[in-house]
Parts: sequence; C-alpha cells; structure tokens
Amino acid sequence: DVVLTQTPPTLSATIGQSVSISCRSSQSLLDSDGDTYLNWLLQRPGQSPQLLIYSVSNLESGVPNRFSGSGSETDFTLKISGVEAEDLGVYYCMQATHAPLTFGTGTKLELK
Amino acid sequence: VQLVESGGGLVQPGKSLKLSCSASGFTFSSYGMHWIRQTPGKGLDWVAYISSSSGTVYADAVKGRFTISRDNAKNTLYLQLNSLKSEDTAIYYCARSGNCDYWGQGVMVTVSS
Repeated sequence: DVVLTQTPPTLSATIGQSVSISCRSSQSLLDSDGDTYLNWLLQRPGQSPQLLIYSVSNLESGVPNRFSGSGSETDFTLKISGVEAEDLGVYYCMQATHAPLTFGTGTKLELK
Repeated sequence: VQLVESGGGLVQPGKSLKLSCSASGFTFSSYGMHWIRQTPGKGLDWVAYISSSSGTVYADAVKGRFTISRDNAKNTLYLQLNSLKSEDTAIYYCARSGNCDYWGQGVMVTVSS
C-alpha cells in the first residue's frame, strides 16, 4: 500500500500567518492517465473530513483561495496564505492513484 | 449533497451490525461510494468501495467479514459487518466517489464485551 507521510505532525500558527504542510508518498502518484490523484482534506474538531483540494492543485468549490496545493510525483505541499480561525483542525493528504485508497498521517493546525 | 449514516452502536465481539448511508441531492446511481473508518483519536482508514455498476473492493483487514452493497432505488449505501473484532471499533463514514468529495457525519461502532 502507498504510505503518505505528513510533516510536521503539529503546526502552531497565529492568525494571518502563512503555513505549509508537506505530504510525501512512498511511490509516485502520477497515474497512467496523466492525472495525479492527490487530495487534501480538513477535519475540523467534532466534524467529518471535507475535501479542500483535488488532483494536487484544484480548489474544491466553495473553498477559499487562501488554500493552494502544489507538487508532483512523490512530494506535495498544501499552503495556507493567511491562517484564519476557521482553518484550525487536522489536515490529511489522500491518494487515489493506487488501490487501496490511503490517507496521510495528519497535521494538526492549532493556534499559537 | 447530503450523506447520513445510521445503524451504529455497541456490539459484542463476533456479532454483526449493518450500517446504512442515505444519500440525497445528487444522482446516487451514477457515483461510486466508499466506506472509511476512523479510530477515535487516530487517522483515517479506507474500508471498502462500490462502483456505480456495483463492483466491490475491500481492505485486507475486513475482506471476508464485511460486505458493501447499494440500493439505487432507495438511494442508500450499506455496510454489513460480520464477525466483529475489537479493532473494528471506529467511526464509520460514507464518502462519495473517487475523490471523496462529500462525507457523511459518521456513525460510531463499538465492539466490546
């Protein structure tokens, strides 16, 4: 199975600060169809996960544009340009290129 | 789009439980669906997937014990959990399609004597 390793495990930020989360895959997530099925999810406290970004860099409808995703093959990054209070929670990367679908280890974003 | 899980609860090891996920706000029959679980305080683990044409795939940890199915007439996804073990204790979520673009609120399954 594909292992997704996220760093850092915990991130402390002030409101307005820009932060980045890394997701490294144990194998390339470039699919034979040319797409890379690496998504980012946010799980707020007490809530179910929600999709933020799909296929590396595509913003899901309704997600603020302070979120952005980048990367390729095995190295991916989620950036939040100006953290807001509603962004607190646990961020997960997720891959759907290789079966079975797997999730990253999670990064908890908290207020400093 | 709304996904609402039900059917969770406390069950003894070795027993069975059936979870349901009621879907609305989209053409259910056109989408593949996942079951994903989360151990309290821990990460996310994929459990099973059913395609729009009812092809199924399972995680090794549940293969032979769990069965995913769907009833397109009722817009409902199911997960039959048999021979339950303590390690199956988790919150179970249904999620839509390969991207998991929508998730239900989750249902708790506790396996304990």
